[in-house]
Amino acid sequence: DAKTTQPNSMESNEEEPVHLPCNHSTISGTDYIHWYRQLPSQGPEYVIHGLTSNVNNRMASLAIAEDRKSSTLILHRATLRDAAVYYCILSGGAQKLVFGQGTRLTINP
Amino acid sequence: EAGVAQSPRYKIIEKRQSVAFWCNPISGHATLYWYQQILGQGPKLLIQFQNNGVVDDSQLPKDRFSAERLKGVDSTLKIQPAKLEDSAVYLCASSPGGGHTQYFGPGTRLTVL
Repeated sequence: DAKTTQPNSMESNEEEPVHLPCNHSTISGTDYIHWYRQLPSQGPEYVIHGLTSNVNNRMASLAIAEDRKSSTLILHRATLRDAAVYYCILSGGAQKLVFGQGTRLTINP
Repeated sequence: EAGVAQSPRYKIIEKRQSVAFWCNPISGHATLYWYQQILGQGPKLLIQFQNNGVVDDSQLPKDRFSAERLKGVDSTLKIQPAKLEDSAVYLCASSPGGGHTQYFGPGTRLTVL
């Protein structure tokens, strides 16, 4: 399974944008980039996924580098409820998710 | 739409005892997953079912863990006998199949004393 690298932790302020980086230099052509988040005492929650093009949904935006070796999850206006561990995961055709340590995001009021 | 249901939410047992967890996936979801999440780590896949057949159980400790999915719907995960290192949150997830989005339940927190 292709590996991702994320910072252990990040901190931001409420109502400001947050950019969460992810490096995946060994990504293969068929790997999708997924982001999940896990709020305290809950199961992980799907955020967004993409293959090559940037993606937007109601929760976030995903910016994918042209060479696909890195990506950035963008929360446009962070709220206290966005405080969570964010996981960047590569997944091929096996429908299998391999979670790393993720980035613990703290939002300051 | 109802989410993935799991029970119990919490369980405390002593080592060498047995324990079972139950999962009811989202209606119509063909694929079901069991994950183990140890404190401070990301979830680790234990077993993946497609309908009632096993797709991947490569990380399931088969000497003590077993899982089944009868009739391709509900699933149970059993540990017998439990060890101290089995203390973790056990997460169940389901997906419609064909795509990659997984929907997770709230998990069962197991403490082995």
